Amino acid sequence: DAGVTQSPTHLIKTRGQQVTLRCSPKSGHDTVSWYQQALGQGPQFIFQYYEEEERQRGNFPDRFSGHQFPNYSSELNVNALLLGDSALYLCASSRQGTQETQYFGPGTRLLVL
Amino acid sequence: GNSVTQMEGPVTLSEEAFLTINCTYTATGYPSLFWYVQYPGEGLQLLLKATKADDKGSNKGFEATYRKETTSFHLEKGSVQVSDSAVYFCALSDAGGTSYGKLTFGQGTILTVHP
Repeated sequence: DAGVTQSPTHLIKTRGQQVTLRCSPKSGHDTVSWYQQALGQGPQFIFQYYEEEERQRGNFPDRFSGHQFPNYSSELNVNALLLGDSALYLCASSRQGTQETQYFGPGTRLLVL
Repeated sequence: GNSVTQMEGPVTLSEEAFLTINCTYTATGYPSLFWYVQYPGEGLQLLLKATKADDKGSNKGFEATYRKETTSFHLEKGSVQVSDSAVYFCALSDAGGTSYGKLTFGQGTILTVHP
């Protein structure tokens, strides 16, 4: 049973560019959450997707957007990249309506130059 | 809003020493509490959780008790191993433990265990 997978593992972009990160949830999970983890910090909640809609959102600008597909996989898009967007981006999946905990993927490390 | 505060780190111990990492929280309602561990270059792994007051979560020799009166969830282990070296995050879920609750994390505590 595959856990949460993310791609790519590493990415280097320049300021002003756009980036798309991808996440496949654990089998049987229908909810995907995205977190940003800056170096030396705890993860910060970006948003959560369920039934292909954004259900909750953290304190992140509109440059951060997402999408969830019918197979429950998800994308995180960041436009107009800033140096401060350099971080580890973590995807977590869970199953709606259960007490199950969120399971995290290995993350995508984004470096903005 | 919700917040989690962890003890200042890093923590350096010798093998077989006793470990305590303090965690306190501020939240409305009755959150669920978690400890996650992050090994170098990896994502987060759930270590243990507690969903209501006085619950004790435990796993791999680690324990933490949900103390509502002191709003704390301190992590303990009686005898640490070198393989326990990692970053430990305390977190809370704002939806009473249901799966749609976003997680609020502390800043993390780096643990290094020497042979």
